[in-house]
Amino acid sequence: NAGVTQTPKFQVLKTGQSMTLQCAQDMNHEYMSWYRQDPGMGLRLIHYSVGAGITDQGEVPNGYNVSRSTTEDFPLRLLSAAPSQTSVYFCASSPAGQYYGYTFGSGTRLTVV
Amino acid sequence: DQQVKQNSPSLSVQEGRISILNCDYTNSMFDYFLWYKKYPAEGPTFLISISSIKDKNEDGRFTVFLNKSAKHLSLHIVPSQPGDSAVYFCAASQSGNQGGKLIFGQGTELSVKP
Repeated sequence: NAGVTQTPKFQVLKTGQSMTLQCAQDMNHEYMSWYRQDPGMGLRLIHYSVGAGITDQGEVPNGYNVSRSTTEDFPLRLLSAAPSQTSVYFCASSPAGQYYGYTFGSGTRLTVV
Repeated sequence: DQQVKQNSPSLSVQEGRISILNCDYTNSMFDYFLWYKKYPAEGPTFLISISSIKDKNEDGRFTVFLNKSAKHLSLHIVPSQPGDSAVYFCAASQSGNQGGKLIFGQGTELSVKP
């Protein structure tokens, strides 16, 4: 099993550009989430999904869009990148129910110049 | 408004001694708590968890304690080993339709010195 796969691993964007961070899991997990990690701020929840067709906002959703058309995929879209979105982004998945730990991908390091 | 707080950014411990990492939360609706460990350039990995119906959960060298009245949990590592050096995050969730929403603290970087 590949687990949670994030692509790309590294990306440099110019301010105002758009891009999609890809996330795929092969564990048939219902729950998926996106986090960003910044120094001193820990892991902050951007958006999450409890199943295909269902998404909700996390702690820092502004500037990001998500959709969940399949169980396996949960892409994160930046419509107009800003330097404040420079961060390391992690995607995670979990079976339904709060009693399972999330499995994380290895991250995407994004720099917006 | 940080709902989960880890007020110690770093902790240094001698090998073989106990490491105690602390975490506080403000949302009384949280009823499940987890600890994750993260090495550089890797994603966090699940370490141990505890439900609010318990006050202690043990797994080998790792024990998590929960004090609901104080809204405080701690992770004890005994004995500490150099391989335990990593960033540790606590996280919390609540049951019901918020079950998929996992909130993390800022992390504590543990350094275990030989």
